[in-house]
Amino acid sequence: EDKVVQSPLSLVVHEGDTVTLNCSYEVTNFRSLLWYKQEKKAPTFLFMLTSSGIEKKSGRLSSILDKKELFSILNITATQTGDSAIYLCVTNSGYALNFGKGTSLLVTP
Amino acid sequence: GAGVSQTPSNKVTEKGKYVELRCDPISGHTALYWYRQSLGQGPEFLIYFQGTGAADDSGLPNDRFFAVRPEGSVSTLKIQRTERGDSAVYLCASSPRGTSGGALDTQYFGPGTRLTVL
Repeated sequence: EDKVVQSPLSLVVHEGDTVTLNCSYEVTNFRSLLWYKQEKKAPTFLFMLTSSGIEKKSGRLSSILDKKELFSILNITATQTGDSAIYLCVTNSGYALNFGKGTSLLVTP
Repeated sequence: GAGVSQTPSNKVTEKGKYVELRCDPISGHTALYWYRQSLGQGPEFLIYFQGTGAADDSGLPNDRFFAVRPEGSVSTLKIQRTERGDSAVYLCASSPRGTSGGALDTQYFGPGTRLTVL
């Protein structure tokens, strides 16, 4: 059975801090790993990673994948209160997405 | 707007009733997915449509759940004889090509329908 495990499950930081969110996975037919940000209800797409060692960046967010060790990290630098959300790590083994439980991030002023 | 839309946003029903949840995907997207998210959990896959056909319905929990997409656009998730355990947020997503696009086909999510079964 495919598994996606995220840590920590929750995190509280102060504005301006840097955070690292972790995701490890076991997938029989790995195609890609995705990160989504979920505020209220709809997950919004952040990154798709398919190759090891290539960092993807978008503003203060960055992510990298290690296909040998089967994990990914999502970094957020200079956090802002608007970064408060649940961050979902997801694997794609064809079409159906396999979601982790998410990391709930709270950024306090 | 140009995103995935879902109606209703909230639905409260009584145990044993029938409900329908609607999803309008992004125009032109051939693939449509339904997920269910229980409190404190990540979304779980229910069913995937490629065009009008259900390419994979292996995630539907039992035969009380059924989904259709008759014209390859709007989809309806139908739940018969609802139970309290069906309470969850039901998320719909669409992607441009589905399996034709392979693993690089990004799924875009709607705002979800929060279903509460009393």
